[in-house]
Amino acid sequence: GNSVTQMEGPVTLSEEAFLTINCTYTATGYPSLFWYVQYPGEGLQLLLKATKADDKGSNKGFEATYRKETTSFHLEKGSVQVSDSAVYFCALNPRNTPLVFGKGTRLSVIA
Amino acid sequence: GAVVSQHPSWVICKSGTSVKIECRSLDFQATTMFWYRQFPKQSLMLMATSNEGSKATYEQGVEKDKFLINHASLTLSTLTVTSAHPEDSSFYICSARDAGGVSTDTQYFGPGTRLTVL
Repeated sequence: GNSVTQMEGPVTLSEEAFLTINCTYTATGYPSLFWYVQYPGEGLQLLLKATKADDKGSNKGFEATYRKETTSFHLEKGSVQVSDSAVYFCALNPRNTPLVFGKGTRLSVIA
Repeated sequence: GAVVSQHPSWVICKSGTSVKIECRSLDFQATTMFWYRQFPKQSLMLMATSNEGSKATYEQGVEKDKFLINHASLTLSTLTVTSAHPEDSSFYICSARDAGGVSTDTQYFGPGTRLTVL
């Protein structure tokens, strides 16, 4: 079946630290992969996506590369800010069925 | 572009009453919308898939008579929580796919509705 596994949180980093949130997936076929971000009390916002192997999605300093050989889509940012504190969800879209989400990783960035 | 709104953003109601939540795609047409429920500090749980002009498809364990979904137009889906009880208190989030856009695989999410049943 289709599933997404994210690293357990919470993750606490100091401002300007390097961020990696691991995400691996299991899927049939070739799904699109997504990272969504949820700020406190809000819905989800699309952060970035990649639709095929070796694609790199990027936005707001975040990036993730679709790695078919390792079935991974790790999220990275070179220098986090306090405003990046949120919950990050990795997700896949297996052929236009509803998104399959990971459990989410809570990130706290302290000044 | 690709904005989804929800109304109301929060609602408090008495046990036994019904509450309607609206989900609108503001600048695109959505043949398919999704309703999720999220408990504190947890991931999203898909409740149902709403297709314009047809009956919604509910996930296993979701009571269709309790959570009524109507998708009457390409820009509006509604979720009605009937005879609400305190255990229905939760954060409800809708999402929509842009049927005519380039990224038909992408779901755009509303800001959520926090329901509290007293």
